[in-house]
Amino acid sequence: GENVEQHPSTLSVQEGDSAVIKCTYSDSASNYFPWYKQELGKRPQLIIDIRSNVGEKKDQRIAVTLNKTAKHFSLHITETQPEDSAVYFCAAAYSGGYNKLIFGAGTRLAVHP
Amino acid sequence: NAGVTQTPKFQVLKTGQSMTLQCAQDMNHEYMSWYRQDPGMGLRLIHYSVGAGITDQGEVPNGYNVSRSTTEDFPLRLLSAAPSQTSVYFCASSYSTDGYTFGSGTRLTVV
Repeated sequence: GENVEQHPSTLSVQEGDSAVIKCTYSDSASNYFPWYKQELGKRPQLIIDIRSNVGEKKDQRIAVTLNKTAKHFSLHITETQPEDSAVYFCAAAYSGGYNKLIFGAGTRLAVHP
Repeated sequence: NAGVTQTPKFQVLKTGQSMTLQCAQDMNHEYMSWYRQDPGMGLRLIHYSVGAGITDQGEVPNGYNVSRSTTEDFPLRLLSAAPSQTSVYFCASSYSTDGYTFGSGTRLTVV
């Protein structure tokens, strides 16, 4: 089955810096890669996703890149703000089949003013 | 739309008791899943369903049962609660090609 590894487990940056979180997946059939943000005590919320027919996707300060050959995908946050502080999860699934979504262990991002 | 509704929000059980965590969605989503979240371990898939009458095991199914008699509801049953099942449980639903929408979670403590 699918296995998703996520690094780093914690990340501390200064406000305005960039943050990068990396994930690898094991199942070459996976074709859908969402990222979730979870604030303390809240539910995970989808912030961006990418499908295997696309190499990069941007939404304002957030971007995701995918390298299918290496089975890597990454989340990039530019111009970080204190409200970006949260736990971020990557995930992988074979969309169109069972849509069984497997998550990485999470990255706790702290943005210091 | 209410989205994904989970009840109860909090529950304390004694070891050996059984209970059902309720999950309902009003978005006509085919896919529904149950996850548990423990500190440092992310979200681990317990069971999932691809439609009414169809369920399958996830990464950590032992000690849990599910059923999907309707599109809207996907209850999770703990057969005989153990302290190791102390966790936050999230239900989620989606269309086949979209990301999952999560419920607000159930915080379960087994003593």
